[in-house]
Amino acid sequence: NAGVTQTPKFRVLKTGQSMTLLCAQDMNHEYMYWYRQDPGMGLRLIHYSVGEGTTAKGEVPDGYNVSRLKKQNFLLGLESAAPSQTSVYFCASTFDRGLNTEAFFGQGTRLTVV
Amino acid sequence: GIQVEQSPPDLILQEGANSTLRCNFSDSVNNLQWFHQNPWGQLINLFYIPSGTKQNGRLSATTVATERYSLLYISSSQTTDSGVYFCAVLSPGGGADGLTFGKGTHLIIQP
Repeated sequence: NAGVTQTPKFRVLKTGQSMTLLCAQDMNHEYMYWYRQDPGMGLRLIHYSVGEGTTAKGEVPDGYNVSRLKKQNFLLGLESAAPSQTSVYFCASTFDRGLNTEAFFGQGTRLTVV
Repeated sequence: GIQVEQSPPDLILQEGANSTLRCNFSDSVNNLQWFHQNPWGQLINLFYIPSGTKQNGRLSATTVATERYSLLYISSSQTTDSGVYFCAVLSPGGGADGLTFGKGTHLIIQP
């Protein structure tokens, strides 16, 4: 049981380049989330999805886009990377938002934009 | 939105010592989790504890939802306990805004 898997684990981008981060979960969870973590801070929510085909903005959505074409996958895109997007990105999933809300996180993606 | 405050921000202990980490939150919650972020950056689930008390080996946690706080206890600390401990909460209500994290307690266990 892999849980939540993120691809890639590390990436270096030049300013203006684009990339997509992939999150895959095998727990049949409805809800999926993308967070970023900056030095000395907790995680902040970028975008989230409440089910296949849905997406919504979180606390810090600017500069990112997301898609949830399949229930098990949640993609985070950077169309034109900026140095301010240097961060560690975490994906998470939960079964629902009612009685079973325990969140499970991927191992993180360390992104550097130069 | 809900506010989460963790204390202390930093803690340095000798191996074998006990510690208590605190998490205060500003509103009612239907999820509270404690995580350990190890030196390699991985987030490890410690407890899912919206209320009550749980124990797992040398670690235990208590959440008093009516008073809006949670405590994480670490007994007989080991160097592998070093890292950052995060508290995160989910408030009930509409939408699915995800967990709100505190800024963490940075724990260093010295041999």
